Amino acid sequence: DSGVTQTPKHLITATGQRVTLRCSPRSGDLSVYWYQQSLDQGLQFLIHYYNGEERAKGNILERFSAQQFPDLHSELNLSSLELGDSALYFCASSDFDRPDTQYFGPGTRLTVL
Amino acid sequence: AQSVAQPEDQVNVAEGNPLTVKCTYSVSGNPYLFWYVQYPNRGLQFLLKYITGDNLVKGSYGFEAEFNKSQTSFHLKKPSALVSDSALYFCAVRSKDNYGQNFVFGPGTRLSVLP
Repeated sequence: DSGVTQTPKHLITATGQRVTLRCSPRSGDLSVYWYQQSLDQGLQFLIHYYNGEERAKGNILERFSAQQFPDLHSELNLSSLELGDSALYFCASSDFDRPDTQYFGPGTRLTVL
Repeated sequence: AQSVAQPEDQVNVAEGNPLTVKCTYSVSGNPYLFWYVQYPNRGLQFLLKYITGDNLVKGSYGFEAEFNKSQTSFHLKKPSALVSDSALYFCAVRSKDNYGQNFVFGPGTRLSVLP
């Protein structure tokens, strides 16, 4: 168990809808990263937050947004969902003093029908 | 731009035999290099990392990896494979010299250890 929690575990929704994925980092970790894993694209970095501030953006669509709250949990919001958004979404956290090692949550499997 | 290649989609090895999972990378400046493992329906688990120092890095579950700067490679190895090592393995890189650069993961290699 990495200490990173993600909810929900599974999410099934329809095209055009909006969903929110939640992540709680390991105790004491200030950095949160979001990744999308799909069969055709592999593991893609989406966005990185550190202590509530956005630090870096990767291949994140404009329909997607994220935030990190004062208690350090993070949410990834996906809107106007398309079939191609079906994927596993992972959150990872790291200690700022050792930003090199990331600890991954179990993921949220999103299915868009 | 950073990139990671894992030239083999699939590696099959018999239990008890040595295994190698290959990784080559491209990064500006000096690299941080990582191996992660993913079991079915689970998140990625950290195995080992190269930051600096010894080119041979030892990690969890008996795995090790060798950093080769001239060949820009970071192959994962284990002297004696177990059936329980069967999983998806990801190599990742980040530039040490530019913290603004985030991790780039390879496409993954599926390891099957046959009894």
